[in-house]
Amino acid sequence: DIQMTQSPSSLSASVGDRVTITCRATQSISRYLNWYQQEPGKAPKLLVFGASSLERGVPSRFSGSGLGTDFTLTINSLQPEDFATYYCQQSFSTPHTFGGGTKVDIK
Amino acid sequence: QVQLQESGPGLVRPSETLSLTCSVSGGSISPKYWGWIRQSPGKGLEWIGNIFYSGSTNYNPSLKSRVTLSIDTSKNQFSLSLSSVTAADTAVYYCARTIWDEDIVGKHYHYGLDVWGQGITVTVSS
Repeated sequence: DIQMTQSPSSLSASVGDRVTITCRATQSISRYLNWYQQEPGKAPKLLVFGASSLERGVPSRFSGSGLGTDFTLTINSLQPEDFATYYCQQSFSTPHTFGGGTKVDIK
Repeated sequence: QVQLQESGPGLVRPSETLSLTCSVSGGSISPKYWGWIRQSPGKGLEWIGNIFYSGSTNYNPSLKSRVTLSIDTSKNQFSLSLSSVTAADTAVYYCARTIWDEDIVGKHYHYGLDVWGQGITVTVSS
């Protein structure tokens, strides 16, 4: 199985901050990397697929980048509704494994 | 727009079989991939497997011996069966739709999970 490692596991930030979350795969996954946002008690929501394609309806302050084994999710100008947990997922090969999550909370 | 709704028992006894159904509304179940994901209390997400509308399946090897996915296109539903459950199978179970594509030689590529059900909490306990 391909293992996905996210860092940091948690971070504190303020409204307006720029936040960067990284995800590393144990082998190359090309661009088959997806990012999700999960609020407490809710289902995850797809933000970015294919490493850098923004899902329809997702604000442009979210962006994804990367190729191969190293990927980044960036949130420009953090908004109050962005405080949540973020997960990466590889869909290059089954099982489509998830990272351990990054919790973004208010500083 | 497409909506998914999980249904099934919220309590399953140890060693029995957990059976869940996901009903698809607002769109056709074909030609799509449909998947199951679970989240244990306070933990991260675990991909269980997915099924194509044709019935072909992909399973997580860690669960493969106990999992069966099936699909009923006439009812616009797909299902999860997990046998010999233990307390470790207690989780919120989600169904979701997978974005997919196909190359010129017919190989399938998977992308993100773009539509999710609200999730159903399943507790394994006697």
